[in-house]
Amino acid sequence: EAGVTQSPTHLIKTRGQQATLRCSPISGHTSVYWYQQALGLGLQFLLWYDEGEERNRGNFPPRFSGRQFPNYSSELNVNALELEDSALYLCASSLNTEAFFGQGTRLTVV
Amino acid sequence: QKEVEQDPGPLSVPEGAIVSLNCTYSNSAFQYFMWYRQYSRKGPELLMYTYSSGNKEDGRFTAQVDKSSKYISLFIRDSQPSDSATYLCAMRRQDNDMRFGAGTRLTVKP
Repeated sequence: EAGVTQSPTHLIKTRGQQATLRCSPISGHTSVYWYQQALGLGLQFLLWYDEGEERNRGNFPPRFSGRQFPNYSSELNVNALELEDSALYLCASSLNTEAFFGQGTRLTVV
Repeated sequence: QKEVEQDPGPLSVPEGAIVSLNCTYSNSAFQYFMWYRQYSRKGPELLMYTYSSGNKEDGRFTAQVDKSSKYISLFIRDSQPSDSATYLCAMRRQDNDMRFGAGTRLTVKP
């Protein structure tokens, strides 16, 4: 069974541009969580989607947004990129039990 | 006060030592508890999952939950250099809302 997959693995963008990150959950999982992990720091909660709906969001500005598609895959969009947005972005999926992570997308803003 | 508190360390122990990692939480709605191991620049890997007070053992790892004290622990017996990583506690409510600790960086010295 395939695990959580994230794409792309690496992404380099210029300040002010937009970035789109994608996550495919484990088959059958309906919840998708997004986290930001800056270098040397812990996981910062971004967004939680379940059954296509946004259930909760962390303390991030509105330029961080996303959505969940009918097949439960998810997309994270970051607009007007800033240098401080450089981080590892992790996606996790769950179905009422434990959550499993993907390997992340490393976003670098230059 | 954060919902989940975890000492970030760093924690350094000699090979073969017993390691104790801990988290406290403030929200009694958390019902499910997880421990993850994260190697540098990788996605977190699920180590242990439990939903009741008491102990759960898996090889060299023991997860302990005390819901009355809102306190969870992960013990690693006979620690190895390959155990060197960041360990994250996580907890989830019945509705799937999930929170993570900041992570404890562990180094096991040969």
